[in-house]
Amino acid sequence: GESVGLHLPTLSVQEGDNSIINCAYSNSASDYFIWYKQESGKGPQFIIDIRSNMDKRQGQRVTVLLNKTVKHLSLQIAATQPGDSAVYFCAETSMASGNTGKLIFGQGTTLQVKP
Amino acid sequence: DAGVIQSPRHEVTEMGQEVTLRCKPISGHNSLFWYRQTMMRGLELLIYFNNNVPIDDSGMPEDRFSAKMPNASFSTLKIQPSEPRDSAVYFCASSPRAGTRDTQYFGPGTRLTVL
Repeated sequence: GESVGLHLPTLSVQEGDNSIINCAYSNSASDYFIWYKQESGKGPQFIIDIRSNMDKRQGQRVTVLLNKTVKHLSLQIAATQPGDSAVYFCAETSMASGNTGKLIFGQGTTLQVKP
Repeated sequence: DAGVIQSPRHEVTEMGQEVTLRCKPISGHNSLFWYRQTMMRGLELLIYFNNNVPIDDSGMPEDRFSAKMPNASFSTLKIQPSEPRDSAVYFCASSPRAGTRDTQYFGPGTRLTVL
């Protein structure tokens, strides 16, 4: 079946270093991808999105890279801060014919930032 | 803007009891989503509404679950009768435009424990 999964369940980085969180998706028809951040006790919070006609998109301290050839998505966080500690989810959807565009979430990666 | 509002934040009940979770979406948003989050299954979409109409309820586990949206500013998710395996965090989210290919804003969630 179609699924979105993450390679690393937990990522531990030193404060100030860059972080890279990876995500693999299996539906080649997916054309819209989103990264969410979920802090303890809170709901997921939108970080950044990317459409399939792009390979890269940058936000404030975050960059999302999309490789459609290998169906891989990554989130890069520059100069990681303690406040970045959270669980990060990728989500994908497709607007292919007959598809309602329902978001499918990956299992999540825990990012731990060491001071 | 107050964001998506959910109540209660925590609910502890006994098996067999009826549980009603409530959600107030962001004013002006046309789509509303109910998700369930567990360690084992991650974030799962249960049902979503466009303009108060249920569009996709394929994620609703079984007939014990029902959801309503009587108007644009209120939705309920009801479980009757509840079972211990229903224990999870239930999130409500809303998005500005009809359809799910848009940023979804999540509420803080309701943590449900069924004893």
